[in-house]
Amino acid sequence: GAGVSQSPSNKVTEKGKDVELRCDPISGHTALYWYRQRLGQGLEFLIYFQGNSAPDKSGLPSDRFSAERTGESVSTLTIQRTQQEDSAVYLCASSLGQPTSGNTIYFGEGSWLTVV
Amino acid sequence: QKEVEQDPGPLSVPEGAIVSLNCTYSNSAFQYFMWYRQYSRKGPELLMYTYSSGNKEDGRFTAQVDKSSKYISLFIRDSQPSDSATYLCAREYNFNKFYFGSGTKLNVKP
Repeated sequence: GAGVSQSPSNKVTEKGKDVELRCDPISGHTALYWYRQRLGQGLEFLIYFQGNSAPDKSGLPSDRFSAERTGESVSTLTIQRTQQEDSAVYLCASSLGQPTSGNTIYFGEGSWLTVV
Repeated sequence: QKEVEQDPGPLSVPEGAIVSLNCTYSNSAFQYFMWYRQYSRKGPELLMYTYSSGNKEDGRFTAQVDKSSKYISLFIRDSQPSDSATYLCAREYNFNKFYFGSGTKLNVKP
């Protein structure tokens, strides 16, 4: 597709349930990011994938959060035993390479997660 | 202390006004800064990026970095109703990680 695609766009789940959020990056983009945006807040870095290198997981807030990426393609962010504080927009982004080398980071429209 | 601070607004201006959006940051070790625009219920989109200090202009938009005062600004000339959005500033803190501000909501009235 032309842009970063995320699904589901909206998800309401009960506290304690697991959720999976999917991201399809722009074709050919080796770098993939997950960010979280709580209402009225800035973007919080969660995890970064670059090609076949080990992912940078330093932003994951707890061991309930995990993410996988299949090669340089689809990524899945999994939240286990969801809590109400997990309610947020989860944004996926991709770039051709390092942004500090002039590569633009393109964001998807996000997955809006509500934990009730 | 937040790494990047922005006034949340909302900032309301008449069409055609010059808009000034500002951020302060706490660590001048890195030199890469970005401005993103985010429309309601959409993902952020890159407006501009800058390295180090100085100005960078792109059409109606000018990004300015003042490292001595740890201040970054985005100026919008001849503002349009279509500029109504939330503007996020960001600075690099590692090669591929960025601190984002919480955004300033701008409303340009026709």
